[in-house]
Amino acid sequence: DVKVTQSSRYLVKRTGEKVFLECVQDMDHENMFWYRQDPGLGLRLIYFSYDVKMKEKGDIPEGYSVSREKKERFSLILESASTNQTSMYLCASSSPPLGENGYTFGSGTRLTVV
Amino acid sequence: AQSVTQLGSHVSVSEGALVLLRCNYSSSVPPYLFWYVQYPNQGLQLLLKYTTGATLVKGINGFEAEFKKSETSFHLTKPSAHMSDAAEYFCAVTLTGGYQKVTFGIGTKLQVIP
Repeated sequence: DVKVTQSSRYLVKRTGEKVFLECVQDMDHENMFWYRQDPGLGLRLIYFSYDVKMKEKGDIPEGYSVSREKKERFSLILESASTNQTSMYLCASSSPPLGENGYTFGSGTRLTVV
Repeated sequence: AQSVTQLGSHVSVSEGALVLLRCNYSSSVPPYLFWYVQYPNQGLQLLLKYTTGATLVKGINGFEAEFKKSETSFHLTKPSAHMSDAAEYFCAVTLTGGYQKVTFGIGTKLQVIP
């Protein structure tokens, strides 16, 4: 069964910490995405990547960075965590054409910054 | 650019009743349209998708949606609600022939009353 795996389901971090959220997919997908999900706001795109070592800013990249050193792994980095980054983070991957395949999502990481 | 509007952030139906979740989209070119479902504490799962061809699309768990270009709508329906349908549902759109980004609606939480 194809899978997108996020390394942690729940995380609690302190303000100012550097936080790494890891995502691994086993489907050989070219495209990977990081979204955050907040009540009343839906899913908002943070960063995405079309290929290894490539990255593109999404709609809300401020305070985040990403790394894609290998095709199967896409990491989201919170450089200095703040309380307004408390959220559910969802990783997704897809193989083109997107219209035929849609996204495959991980189970999410619920991050709390205290 | 594209956008999605989901009417009603919360919908309640009785078990056995019709489920209707509304979605309207805005797109400058022919869109690809999706419905995703999210069960509590899980990631999103693709329910169904419209790409081209038949405007009535059938998905998993007895759901279907109809693409109506004249109304710019893609409403999700199910003839008879089951308790297991209680979840949050997201409508999403992406543009044909373009980047692999998807824009999501804010979600509709479906409550099924026994």
